[in-house]
Amino acid sequence: DVKVTQSSRYLVKRTGEKVFLECVQDMDHENMFWYRQDPGLGLRLIYFSYDVKMKEKGDIPEGYSVSREKKERFSLILESASTNQTSMYLCASSPRRTIAEQYFGPGTRLTVT
Amino acid sequence: AQSVTQLGSHVSVSEGALVLLRCNYSSSVPPYLFWYVQYPNQGLQLLLKYTTGATLVKGINGFEAEFKKSETSFHLTKPSAHMSDAAEYFCAVSGGGGFKTIFGAGTRLFVKA
Repeated sequence: DVKVTQSSRYLVKRTGEKVFLECVQDMDHENMFWYRQDPGLGLRLIYFSYDVKMKEKGDIPEGYSVSREKKERFSLILESASTNQTSMYLCASSPRRTIAEQYFGPGTRLTVT
Repeated sequence: AQSVTQLGSHVSVSEGALVLLRCNYSSSVPPYLFWYVQYPNQGLQLLLKYTTGATLVKGINGFEAEFKKSETSFHLTKPSAHMSDAAEYFCAVSGGGGFKTIFGAGTRLFVKA
C-alpha cells in the first residue's frame, strides 16, 4: 500500500517562528509537491521537486522555501510564519512519468497566532 | 495555460439519487483529467482519471466520468448516492509534458437521508 506521511496533523505556531513541515513517501517517486488548501480556492502549488536537490517554484512560493536532500523526503519551511499562512498543507508525490496521478498525505493543519 | 472550473461549491442530494458534479477545463494541449475525493480530515485520493482512449472512465465506489472534448467537460456521476459519498471532490487537469496539475476549487457533496 502506497504511503505519504506528514510529520504533524495539527500544528500551532506563533508569528515570526520558523516552521518545518516534513513529508516522507515510501513509493520511490521522483516527483514531490507541496500545496496549500484554503476554502473556495482549492489546492495551490507552493513548490515541487522532480529530483533530489532540485526544486521549482509553484504558483505561490512567497514566504516559503523547501529542501529535498533525500529522494523520499521533502520539507517545507516557513522562514518567519505569519497569520496569513494559517492553512491546510498537503504533500503529494508521483512517479517520473509526467502525466500521472498524485498520491497525497493526510495534511497538516497549521495555525499561526 | 490550463484551468479548471467546478460549477457549484456545494451540491446536496438525497440518498439513492443521482450524483452529478460538473467540471469544465481549459487546455491548449490534449488534457489528462482527474477526479479526486477528500474525506474529512484526510488527504486527497484518486477516484478516476482520463488519459487517452475511451472517453467514459469508470472509477472507484461506482463513480464514472465522461470526457467531452467538444464541450471541454469532464463531469462526474454516480447513479445512486450513498451517505458515505459525502466528501469534497476536486477536478484536476494536467498535460503538455509538465509536472504541474491544476486543481479546481472543489465541490462539497452533501447526502441527505
